[in-house]
Amino acid sequence: GQNIDQPTEMTATEGAIVQINCTYQTSGFNGLFWYQQHAGEAPTFLSYNVLDGLEEKGRFSSFLSRSKGYSYLLLKELQMKDSASYLCAVMDSNYQLIWGAGTKLIIKP
Amino acid sequence: GAVVSQHPSRVICKSGTSVKIECRSLDFQATTMFWYRQFPKKSLMLMATSNEGSKATYEQGVEKDKFLINHASLTLSTLTVTSAHPEDSSFYICSARGVAGAGDSYEQYFGPGTRLTVT
Repeated sequence: GQNIDQPTEMTATEGAIVQINCTYQTSGFNGLFWYQQHAGEAPTFLSYNVLDGLEEKGRFSSFLSRSKGYSYLLLKELQMKDSASYLCAVMDSNYQLIWGAGTKLIIKP
Repeated sequence: GAVVSQHPSRVICKSGTSVKIECRSLDFQATTMFWYRQFPKKSLMLMATSNEGSKATYEQGVEKDKFLINHASLTLSTLTVTSAHPEDSSFYICSARGVAGAGDSYEQYFGPGTRLTVT
C-alpha cells in the first residue's frame, strides 16, 4: 500500500529553526510537495522536489532523498504566523497526490 | 500565480436539500480538477478526479450518486451534494491542475474551500 508518515504535532520557539520530516512509500514517484495549511483555510503551496537535494526558498527549505523515501521541510527564523499544519504529499506513478496526515506546528513566544 | 476560486465559501442548508459548489480556474485552463473533503484536524481526502469533458473518477467509498461532479469546461467544475445530511457537513476543497508541459511540476492550485453545514 501507499503510505506517507509525518509527525502529528511539533512545538518550536519564535526565532528558532524547526525540521519537519516526511517518509513515504508509494507506487512510483513523480515528485514530493509541501503545503502549508492554516486552520479553516485551503492548503497553499510551499515547495516541490523531484530530484535529490535541497531546495531553498527564503526562510523555507525542502530536502529530498529518493533512495531513502525521505524528505524534510526546514523552517528558519520562525514567526508566530508560521503556526499551521504542514502537509507532505507525494505524486505517484498515476500523477495522483498521496497526502500525509499533516504536522501541526505550534510556535511559542 | 494561478488562481482558483470557489463559491460559496460557506453554506448552511437543511437536511434533504442539495447544494452546488463551484470551482473555477481564473487565469489558466484546468484540464484536471480534484475535489477533496477535509474533516476537522484530519488530512485531505480525495473524493474524485474530473477531467474536462469526461466523467469523474471517484475514489473508493465515495458515492457518485450523492456527490455529482460536472467538469463542463476547462475553467469550471461543480460538485453537487444531493440530499445532504448532517454527516455531509465538512470542508470541501477543490484544486486544479493545468495543461502539463516541459518542466511542469503538476502542481495543484487550491481553491479557498467551502464550509458546508447541514442542519
